[in-house]
Amino acid sequence: GAGVSQSPSNKVTEKGKDVELRCDPISGHTALYWYRQRLGQGLEFLIYFQGNSAPDKSGLPSDRFSAERTGESVSTLTIQRTQQEDSAVYLCASSLGRAGPYEQYFGPGTRLTVT
Amino acid sequence: QQQVKQSPQSLIVQKGGISIINCAYENTAFDYFPWYQQFPGKGPALLIAIRPDVSEKKEGRFTISFNKSAKQFSLHIMDSQPGDSATYFCAASNSGGSNYKLTFGKGTLLTVNP
Repeated sequence: GAGVSQSPSNKVTEKGKDVELRCDPISGHTALYWYRQRLGQGLEFLIYFQGNSAPDKSGLPSDRFSAERTGESVSTLTIQRTQQEDSAVYLCASSLGRAGPYEQYFGPGTRLTVT
Repeated sequence: QQQVKQSPQSLIVQKGGISIINCAYENTAFDYFPWYQQFPGKGPALLIAIRPDVSEKKEGRFTISFNKSAKQFSLHIMDSQPGDSATYFCAASNSGGSNYKLTFGKGTLLTVNP
């Protein structure tokens, strides 16, 4: 079946603008994660959605970052008033969640460049 | 505080050789340890994973060795091939926690020379 898809693949924006990134998880996966990957670094956890439960937002770096998910489908990550330090690849992953197994499957990412 | 430390940062191996990447963790609540392979411009792909109830898991040319008392685990790639050239990330999570978020190492850039 189809894997995790993300759009856009690349986004260049000016400092101070808002951006919206989209993630389509694997069908049937109840859990969805957003991670950030800075150049040459590992992945940093941002936010976790599990079904209709309240999301775990503990990894969001500032209140400029927010994310939404409708049910068990598409998720959007919004960054307001972008800063140059927001430049990174934003990765989305999905898994079967509490139903197990725990394997997370990643999308190709959105490369965000803030000029 | 980096909870998963990965080494080396980069590794060059000749074709047919053994590639070894090491990771150490601090959080004793971690109970799931996957390795991911990432090619340039792609998202990480799950390679192999282990739970602490076993000390070794092998899948084809890839083997994870796990040492619970030392809080260390490693990836061995046997008969390394140029196609294995990629960045490898170890990760860990606590499946009994409120979520299964992965804590990643910083990655190892593997180059396999022909």
